Amino acid sequence: DQQVKQNSPSLSVQEGRISILNCDYTNSMFDYFLWYKKYPAEGPTFLISISSIKDKNEDGRFTVFLNKSAKHLSLHIVPSQPGDSAVYFCAASPRGYSSASKIIFGSGTRLSIRP
Amino acid sequence: NAGVTQTPKFQVLKTGQSMTLQCAQDMNHEYMSWYRQDPGMGLRLIHYSVGAGITDQGEVPNGYNVSRSTTEDFPLRLLSAAPSQTSVYFCASSRGGDTGNTIYFGEGSWLTVV
Repeated sequence: DQQVKQNSPSLSVQEGRISILNCDYTNSMFDYFLWYKKYPAEGPTFLISISSIKDKNEDGRFTVFLNKSAKHLSLHIVPSQPGDSAVYFCAASPRGYSSASKIIFGSGTRLSIRP
Repeated sequence: NAGVTQTPKFQVLKTGQSMTLQCAQDMNHEYMSWYRQDPGMGLRLIHYSVGAGITDQGEVPNGYNVSRSTTEDFPLRLLSAAPSQTSVYFCASSRGGDTGNTIYFGEGSWLTVV
């Protein structure tokens, strides 16, 4: 049973518009949430994160929203650019020491930005 | 500026063969992990280590062994390869400590077992 779920395997958005990627989790012990971006033939790279004590974190064009009661988070990219075309992984880790070694990833959403 | 280095990048194995995927990091990170990526399954944790001499199992440890004799290196061993182990493998490292440490990934190792 997947603890971190990304139900949309793919998403296509027009350049300049907003991209919204969604993620749901089931484990209430998760305390920290991250988004990673992956280009083909490369390793995933860290994009943005949010602690469970917050409901929003913003970094430039990227904003992550956390709704703990719904166990849901989303990544907003605005405006979307061609270089944003990649696979995006949602990830979560539990509270406590060594938690960085126990990060659980979702199955990923492939975002395509069309001209 | 090497970061996390994995070798080999590509490997084809016959069923039953053994091999070791190498991983090294030069950031003096305490934590290291191995993940595999399969279509529709995302990244799944195989084994992890919170320091030299300490290892533990992740979500999908069967068929894999690890050891951590130094801070820098965390090799992943397949003792008897099976077709189900065909996957892309990523090594990762992080500074360690409490929640919130970003993990850094290597570029991946593509393994095919025939």
